[in-house]
Formats: sequence, structure tokens, C-alpha cells
Amino acid sequence: DIQMTQSPSSLFASVGDRVTITCRASQSVSTSLNWYQQKTATAPKLLIYTTSTLQRGVPSRFSGSGFGTAFTLTISSMQPEDFATYYCQQSYTATRTFGQGTKVQIK
Amino acid sequence: EVELVESGGGLVQPGGSLRLSCGATRFMFSNYWMTWVRQAPGKGLEWVANIKEDGSEKNYVDSVKGRFTISRDNAKSSMFLQMNSLRVEDTAVYYCARESRSQLRSFDYWGQGTPVTVSS
Repeated sequence: DIQMTQSPSSLFASVGDRVTITCRASQSVSTSLNWYQQKTATAPKLLIYTTSTLQRGVPSRFSGSGFGTAFTLTISSMQPEDFATYYCQQSYTATRTFGQGTKVQIK
Repeated sequence: EVELVESGGGLVQPGGSLRLSCGATRFMFSNYWMTWVRQAPGKGLEWVANIKEDGSEKNYVDSVKGRFTISRDNAKSSMFLQMNSLRVEDTAVYYCARESRSQLRSFDYWGQGTPVTVSS
């Protein structure tokens, strides 16, 4: 199975900061990489699919990039509602896998 | 709006069994792959299993192979997860999710989750 590794595992940021989260795959997943946001005690929410396409309703301050084994999620200017845990997930193989998550906390 | 509702969670002893259900409304259920994802307390998301539109293909994470069985009933717009030989480490909130067709199998809709606790 493809292993997904995120870094960092957690970070502290202030409102207005630019935040970048990295996701690496153990083998190429082409552009089949998705990002989710999860707030405490709620179901995850799809943010970005196929590496860089924003899900409907997701603010443009979120962006994604990458190909193959290296991907990034960028939040250009953190807003109070963006403090949450973010997960990458590959859908290249039928056995899907998630990264371990990155918790973004208020500094 | 698409809705997914899980049920069937609860407290079970190690070695026991439980059957989770996921009811789907407001979309053509038979046209979509469906998936189960779990989250242990304080931990990250773990993909568990998925099933093709017609049920002809099923995939599992290694840790549940031989113990869990995914199935679906398209006539009732429902998906199931039969969990046998449960272990303490299966304790988690279990979510069902729809795998999108137009968005390359990303999970575009999720249920609210049903908690499973395996403990003596």
C-alpha cells in the first residue's frame, strides 16, 4: 500500500500568516491527491481534490500543488476558522490512504 | 443535499461482532463507490474499506482483512460493514463517505460517524 507522510505534524500560526503543509507519497500517485479539513468532533470536509482543484465553496486562500510524490497545501492568510487538522489522502490506488494529519493551532 | 447517516455503533467485548449501516439519500447511490473511514480517539483518519458501485470489487486495509466485510444493497441505498473478531484497537468513530465520480474518487460527502468501543 502507498504510505502518505505529512509534515509538520503540528504547527502554530497567527491570523494572517501564510501556512504550508507538505505531503509525501511512498510512490507516485500522479495527481490523485486530496486534502481534507477536520475540526474537533466533526466529520472531515473535502477542501481540494486532484492536487489543486478547490471543492465548491472553499475560499481561494486555500491552494494545492504538486505531482507524483510531493504535494503542498497552502493557506495564504490564516483566518480564525482555518484552525483545524488537515489530512492529505491518495486516491491513486483502490486501497486509499491518508496522511497522519497536521494540526494547525493558534499562536 | 446529499445525506449519509451511519448507525449500529456501540460497546462490544473483544472478540465480538458488530454490523454498521450507512443510509444514503438524495443521490443515485448505485452510481457511486462508497467507503468506510475510521478515527480512533485522539488519532488521525484511517481508511478502512471501499466497495464498487455494483459490489463486484471490495478493498480493505490490511489490519481488517479477514475480519471485516463490506457490502451494499443498492435497492435500499445502504452500505454495511460487518465487523467480526473485534479488537480493542478497532475502537474508533466510523464514518461512511461517498467517493466522487467527477472528482477522481475524493470523498466528497461524509456521514456524522458512529462510535464503536471494543472493551471488556
